[in-house]
Amino acid sequence: DAGVIQSPRHEVTEMGQEVTLRCKPISGHNSLFWYRQTMMRGLELLIYFNNNVPIDDSGMPEDRFSAKMPNASFSTLKIQPSEPRDSAVYFCASSLPQGAGQPQHFGDGTRLSIL
Amino acid sequence: AQTVTQSQPEMSVQEAETVTLSCTYDTSESDYYLFWYKQPPSRQMILVIRQEAYKQQNATENRFSVNFQKAAKSFSLKISDSQLGDAAMYFCASSRAGSYQLTFGKGTKLSVIP
Repeated sequence: DAGVIQSPRHEVTEMGQEVTLRCKPISGHNSLFWYRQTMMRGLELLIYFNNNVPIDDSGMPEDRFSAKMPNASFSTLKIQPSEPRDSAVYFCASSLPQGAGQPQHFGDGTRLSIL
Repeated sequence: AQTVTQSQPEMSVQEAETVTLSCTYDTSESDYYLFWYKQPPSRQMILVIRQEAYKQQNATENRFSVNFQKAAKSFSLKISDSQLGDAAMYFCASSRAGSYQLTFGKGTKLSVIP
């Protein structure tokens, strides 16, 4: 079975540019999560979708960050304009309906470098 | 709020030996779930093992097993017959029943010595 698919795997861009990260969750999973991982702060939950609806975006750092889930098989995380402090590994994860300790399955992550 | 503490930033183990990674957590919930995730240098986060707090039996997955001590709020991971491919960061995590929030520890970096 295909796991969570993220693209691109690496992204290097100059500050001020728009960055779009993509995620395809596991088929049948209705919960989707975006995380950011840095050495200083570890893994941080940015946003959580349930059935394509954003439920909790309290972790989104600021207005420069936005996330969408137009359908059950696709989500994007956009940063505009990007800044060097946005450099991190961004993970997408999906799971079956929450409520019974369903584990989250992670993609391979996107390593983002903002110069 | 839940907290997860991994007190060992780094550990090493000789190939074929056994190693135990520590994890303690704090929660006021009676129903919750605990997880261990592995992150190798390839950076993918891989689910290793899952434990349901209401089950007393310790979860096992092949060479991986946990020692779940509910009263002590301890959830350690034992890796038997360590292999070079076990070298990775290991994250302990918890979530309360009915919640999507997954609380992670800071991680333990495991090195396997040939």
